[in-house]
Amino acid sequence: NAGVMQNPRHLVRRRGQEARLRCSPMKGHSHVYWYRQLPEEGLKFMVYLQKENIIDESGMPKERFSAEFPKEGPSILRIQQVVRGDSAAYFCATTESGDEQFFGPGTRLTVL
Amino acid sequence: RKEVEQDPGPFNVPEGATVAFNCTYSNSASQSFFWYRQDCRKEPKLLMSVYSSGNEDGRFTAQLNRASQYISLLIRDSKLSDSATYLCVVPLNAGNNRKLIWGLGTSLAVNP
Repeated sequence: NAGVMQNPRHLVRRRGQEARLRCSPMKGHSHVYWYRQLPEEGLKFMVYLQKENIIDESGMPKERFSAEFPKEGPSILRIQQVVRGDSAAYFCATTESGDEQFFGPGTRLTVL
Repeated sequence: RKEVEQDPGPFNVPEGATVAFNCTYSNSASQSFFWYRQDCRKEPKLLMSVYSSGNEDGRFTAQLNRASQYISLLIRDSKLSDSATYLCVVPLNAGNNRKLIWGLGTSLAVNP
């Protein structure tokens, strides 16, 4: 049973480009959480999704950021028109139905 | 009171020392609690779950005090490899919203 997978592991974008981050949950997990971690700071919750539904997006910036978890395929965190302040590590975590979350290795986004 | 609050540290201790971290939470309805460990630039990993009064796993002991709304983590006989950030986590418990509330973490450095 493969763990939570995220790709790419490292992503470099220029200001104004789009970034797409993918998260493949562990088998059987239908809950996905996205977190952002800035250098030297704690984890910040962004969004919580179940299959095809956004349950809580209270941590998502109102503009440029969106997330989806389609019926088939990975969850996608999309950042449009990236700015330097978007540079961070983005982690996804998944769970079957309980509270214990399993994390992917993260995607490190660098905006030049 | 903040939803989840931890002393950020850093705690600097010698090898073999015993060290304890406290975490306070505001939601008195919370039933389960977690301690995660995060190494530098890596994803958080579950260290212990606490569902009743406490839990023990080798050198690690977690205790829950519901009356005072705090959870503690005790590490005995500290090893160099215990150096990490320790994150206290409390479920939101709001209907079908299974979001977790994360503390900012307590940094531990075990010195030779």
